[in-house]
This record gives sequence, structure tokens and C-alpha cells, in this order.
Amino acid sequence: AQKITQTQPGMFVQEKEAVTLDCTYDTSDPSYGLFWYKQPSSGEMIFLIYQGSYDQQNATEGRYSLNFQKARKSANLVISASQLGDSAMYFCAMRETDSNYQLIWGAGTKLIIKP
Amino acid sequence: DGGITQSPKYLFRKEGQNVTLSCEQNLNHDAMYWYRQDPGQGLRLIYYSQIVNDFQKGDIAEGYSVSREKKESFPLTVTSAQKNPTAFYLCASSPYTIGKRVEAFFGQGTRLTVV
Repeated sequence: AQKITQTQPGMFVQEKEAVTLDCTYDTSDPSYGLFWYKQPSSGEMIFLIYQGSYDQQNATEGRYSLNFQKARKSANLVISASQLGDSAMYFCAMRETDSNYQLIWGAGTKLIIKP
Repeated sequence: DGGITQSPKYLFRKEGQNVTLSCEQNLNHDAMYWYRQDPGQGLRLIYYSQIVNDFQKGDIAEGYSVSREKKESFPLTVTSAQKNPTAFYLCASSPYTIGKRVEAFFGQGTRLTVV
């Protein structure tokens, strides 16, 4: 079974609009961490935001926020006021206690911001 | 500046050749990882190492080999046994500490093409 599911292969969003990228996960480990990375066309992976399973509040980092719904096992990334430079692949990833600190990755969502 | 350096950026391999991809980090991280990324897909773990002179196979280790003789270096050899090596290869490192809030830092990647 897929541990990380990103159901949107691609999205088009108008510049300055907010966008939500979906991520659902599957784990029986009560202690885990969720990550979002951005991969521009140049290829490098850029860390955006982290949410721990015991964190009481949703994570925020500048224009990025994480809509964490633990009971639903979802960790959607919200980008406010999108910019042309936000066009990239976005990956959701999870780290579990027993994974030797490896990250399990989703298939990604390609986001294109339209001017 | 601290970071991870992968070289070369582009690499061409003839059928039957072994090639080695370089990965060096000066972040003093204990853990290092090699991932393979195929077009439009997420990352798959090839090998990882948590300490010098020790490494473990990931999900797709067949046809690859690694070494970890120094903390800073984690080269990946793509052997002739790897039948479909054309892909984008990413090296990453992270501190090996207890806790989930440990993001991985990535290099710029190496794009390998079989000719």
C-alpha cells in the first residue's frame, strides 16, 4: 500500500491566488514527521516545511502553511499569494520511528503558476 | 558555504560501463543517502549510510554499489548490472539524531544518460 499519496499530478493556478497541494499518508506509528519539498526545474530539492505528529499547531513558514488533519491522515500544503517562481514539482514525504530516519516520498505534484 | 556537492552534473555512459557519481558534504552530517528519480516520479532510495564504513541497501539497490570511507564522501557506482540506469540521481545528507524534525539536505543532482 502507498504510504504517501499525492492525488494531483498537475495543477494550474493563477498568479496571486492561494493554492492547496494534497497529501495523505498511511502509518501506524504514533510518532512521525511530515515534510514538504520543492523541486524547481534545476533539479535540487528545497525543504519548505515540517510538521511533527505531536505538534499542537499547524506549521507555518512564510507563505507556506501546512493544513494538518491527523485523524484524516492528511497534510496539505497551502501556498498563499502564489508567485511565478512557485512553479515547480512539490513532494510530500514522511519519516517514521522505525524507518532508520529514511524519508518515504510521494509521487509529487507539478504546479504551474499562470501570469 | 556549507552544503552538498554532486558531480558531474551530466554524465553519459556507454552500455556495459561502470560509472561513479560523486557526493561530498561539508555539513558534518552523519547520514547520507542516494536517491534515483525517474521522469514525473518521486524519489526512490538506492543506498543509505548512517556512519562511516557502514551502509544499507534501500529499495532499489540492485546494480548499484557505494562506499563510505570518509564522513564527507558517499560515492555511488552504477554498474553494468543496472539495466536501465538513465535517470536523475540525488544525494542527500542529514544529521543522525533522535527526533523527527531532521530534514535532509540535497545536492544539485546528476543526470545520467546511457548512450
